[in-house]
Amino acid sequence: QITLKESGPTLVKPKQTLTLTCTFSGFSLSTSGVGVGWIRQPPGKALEWLALIYWDDDKRYSPSLKSRLTITKDTSKNQVVLTMTNMDPVDTATYYCAHSPVFDYWGQGTLVTVSS
Amino acid sequence: QSALTQPASVSGSPGQSIAISCTGTSSDVGGYNYVSWYQQHPGKAPKLMIYDVSNRPSGVSNRFSGSKSGNTASLTISGLQAEDEADYYCSSYTNSTTWVFGGGTKLTVL
Repeated sequence: QITLKESGPTLVKPKQTLTLTCTFSGFSLSTSGVGVGWIRQPPGKALEWLALIYWDDDKRYSPSLKSRLTITKDTSKNQVVLTMTNMDPVDTATYYCAHSPVFDYWGQGTLVTVSS
Repeated sequence: QSALTQPASVSGSPGQSIAISCTGTSSDVGGYNYVSWYQQHPGKAPKLMIYDVSNRPSGVSNRFSGSKSGNTASLTISGLQAEDEADYYCSSYTNSTTWVFGGGTKLTVL
């Protein structure tokens, strides 16, 4: 049974760096073809793909956010970490992590609010 | 990369069939058979309904089907049921080796 769960701060201030952790079970990020991605959804708006890391440590980022994002993995801990720098109120959203490549399993999401 | 284009809303009566389109370019939808569809109920995480254009994950009703022609993919729901009322999103792999989602479609079951 595959499960994922996001964790991190619920409130960050503008210009701060956000660090989110995805802790998963039921699969290994050392298995060929497997990845974990991050997707966000501002309140009342559409899903937006952010980043993805593969079993071989290949990393992909949204072109529009690439300069602000870093994704890493800790295979031994079954965790994937996403950092986003220079947070702005427009980054307020529910952030999801999902099992890749087809995002067939999702975490419950974590709402991050950016406000001073 | 620009978001894929979906109609903002579609509606249908119980028992009817509806289709939701997802239009991209030759750099995403048209270039790869890696289109997925997700269903999202309010306050819930998205659920995968279709992957690789037309494949259904185990447990998804066969009332849901997917197809693609050129740069446009489609999700068809037959025999509409009240529980199908939700937001639907498409996504596609791109030639930048990234992923892109559509703007979402709100399905109303009348």
